Amino acid sequence: ETGVTQSPTHLIKTRGQQVTLRCSSQSGHNTVSWYQQALGQGPQFIFQYYREEENGRGNFPPRFSGLQFPNYSSELNVNALELDDSALYLCASSGGTSANQETQYFGPGTRLLVL
Amino acid sequence: AQSVTQLGSHVSVSEGALVLLRCNYSSSVPPYLFWYVQYPNQGLQLLLKYTTGATLVKGINGFEAEFKKSETSFHLTKPSAHMSDAAEYFCAVITGFQKLVFGTGTRLLVSP
Repeated sequence: ETGVTQSPTHLIKTRGQQVTLRCSSQSGHNTVSWYQQALGQGPQFIFQYYREEENGRGNFPPRFSGLQFPNYSSELNVNALELDDSALYLCASSGGTSANQETQYFGPGTRLLVL
Repeated sequence: AQSVTQLGSHVSVSEGALVLLRCNYSSSVPPYLFWYVQYPNQGLQLLLKYTTGATLVKGINGFEAEFKKSETSFHLTKPSAHMSDAAEYFCAVITGFQKLVFGTGTRLLVSP
């Protein structure tokens, strides 16, 4: 059983650019959640996708958008990057067996630096 | 709205000593509670979870936590700390639509 994978591991962008981060969910999971973790803080919920539809969104502006594909992998897109977008972006998958459906398993993250 | 509070941003223990990391929650519905660990420059690893049933939950690496509804607490313990336990620990509660709400984290420091 493969775990959650994310790419790239690190990324450097300049203010105003756009970025796409990718996530492959764990085998058998149909739900992907994205979180932003700023330095020294706990992760903050960005949004969640269930079967290719957005299923909840946190307090992030519309320039944060996402997609989920039929194989349940997912993308996070951020437009018009700002310096405060520098953070570790974590993807988590869930939705396995009914006994374990609520448990989210995290990938290693993508560290984004905006200059 | 659900939330968690972790008391103590840093906890220092000696190797072999008891580890106690505190977490209190606020929830209007029966909570699902989680502890995750994060090693430097890595993602989050699930340590243990409480959903329903037995209130004493055992996790990986010798950690356990007890759900106490009367105290709205879910403290994490380990009888004997090991150097490899040094990491950041996050308590989290899940909301109705499967969103995790995290505490601010507690950094565990283990000295020889």
